[in-house]
Amino acid sequence: GQNIDQPTEMTATEGAIVQINCTYQTSGFNGLFWYQQHAGEAPTFLSYNVLDGLEEKGRFSSFLSRSKGYSYLLLKELQMKDSASYLCAVFYGNNRLAFGKGNQVVVIP
Amino acid sequence: DTGVSQNPRHKITKRGQNVTFRCDPISEHNRLYWYRQTLGQGPEFLTYFQNEAQLEKSRLLSDRFSAERPKGSFSTLEIQRTEQGDSAMYLCASSLVQTGGGEQYFGPGTRLTVT
Repeated sequence: GQNIDQPTEMTATEGAIVQINCTYQTSGFNGLFWYQQHAGEAPTFLSYNVLDGLEEKGRFSSFLSRSKGYSYLLLKELQMKDSASYLCAVFYGNNRLAFGKGNQVVVIP
Repeated sequence: DTGVSQNPRHKITKRGQNVTFRCDPISEHNRLYWYRQTLGQGPEFLTYFQNEAQLEKSRLLSDRFSAERPKGSFSTLEIQRTEQGDSAMYLCASSLVQTGGGEQYFGPGTRLTVT
């Protein structure tokens, strides 16, 4: 089975940087994906890592260490619209995603 | 807009009734997934199709659940003899095999309430 662990909630100030961690245990690993989900809406794809290292995409960066089963999503220059749940998901077996419970980020002025 | 669409958006039904949901994926996408999401949880995989073939089903999918994708385009998910525990958001997503399959595009979901 797949085991994905994320902290449940964090609060950060507008303009700040926040790091959302994710640890996982899985078999047949084929990539680590990050999705954003606003309340009452569908998840939307943010980024993914297949190899170790940092992937940067505008204000969002994602890091992966396969040997440690660890990833993080870095959000820079936080904006109020970034208040959402951030879902870590492992792609395994070449055909499915297993999601964590999500980390609720609350951005305050 | 050519994103993933789902109908209906909300469904309230009485326990024991059957319900059917529809998903229309992005037209060129050959993979279609169904997930279930409850409050405070991430989406849980139910089943997926590649073209018209249903390739995998989760153990979460009891025999009351059935899904089809008859022509490799839209898909339906039917729940028979609904139970209160079936109350959840049912999400559909589509992707391209050629881009790896992990970058999935989700529809707005169908929220099911079983009374």
